[in-house]
Amino acid sequence: NAGVTQTPKFRILKIGQSMTLQCTQDMNHNYMYWYRQDPGMGLKLIYYSVGAGITDKGEVPNGYNVSRSTTEDFPLRLELAAPSQTSVYFCASSYPGQVNGYTFGSGTRLTVV
Amino acid sequence: AQTVTQSQPEMSVQEAETVTLSCTYDTSESDYYLFWYKQPPSRQMILVIRQEAYKQQNATENRFSVNFQKAAKSFSLKISDSQLGDAAMYFCAYRTLPNYGGSQGNLIFGKGTKLSVKP
Repeated sequence: NAGVTQTPKFRILKIGQSMTLQCTQDMNHNYMYWYRQDPGMGLKLIYYSVGAGITDKGEVPNGYNVSRSTTEDFPLRLELAAPSQTSVYFCASSYPGQVNGYTFGSGTRLTVV
Repeated sequence: AQTVTQSQPEMSVQEAETVTLSCTYDTSESDYYLFWYKQPPSRQMILVIRQEAYKQQNATENRFSVNFQKAAKSFSLKISDSQLGDAAMYFCAYRTLPNYGGSQGNLIFGKGTKLSVKP
């Protein structure tokens, strides 16, 4: 019963580097999401997907890209890392009508120096 | 656009006592869900309690209960018999009923309240 798995858990990037945050879920959820959490703040939506092949921007999409080739996987790509992208990133998934809200991954702490 | 406001950045409670965390929200929708999530230092987001807007009865989960005032758009969390393990960030969140292929259904979070529990 893995739920939502995020890798890596921690990462330090240099300015201008690129990386992909991986997210996979084994619950056959249609909807998947990427949020970022800055210190002392709530979670802000970066991108979301309502199914394989369908993605859409959230509140703070600049500097990020996503893809959804399968139901299980929803990777988040940072192309040119900037210090403003230092944050904790959460992936989550749900059914469209899931009353229980989302199932969250354990987060990735990313530092850009 | 919907917004969620938590006006208490930090709260403190004595062990075994009761504390109430405040949350207000703004929406023009009539049907939606409200949630409280707990985030301990481990960072894991843990669902504490949920409330469907069409239900008048306040949700209760063991020591956790809510005071849902739909007309006032208020959704406070009461923690009774506080325990040391309750110390965490608490986030209030709002979710509309999702439409297939639409942009609804995304969780909108408040900025959180950091709860400390004193032994």
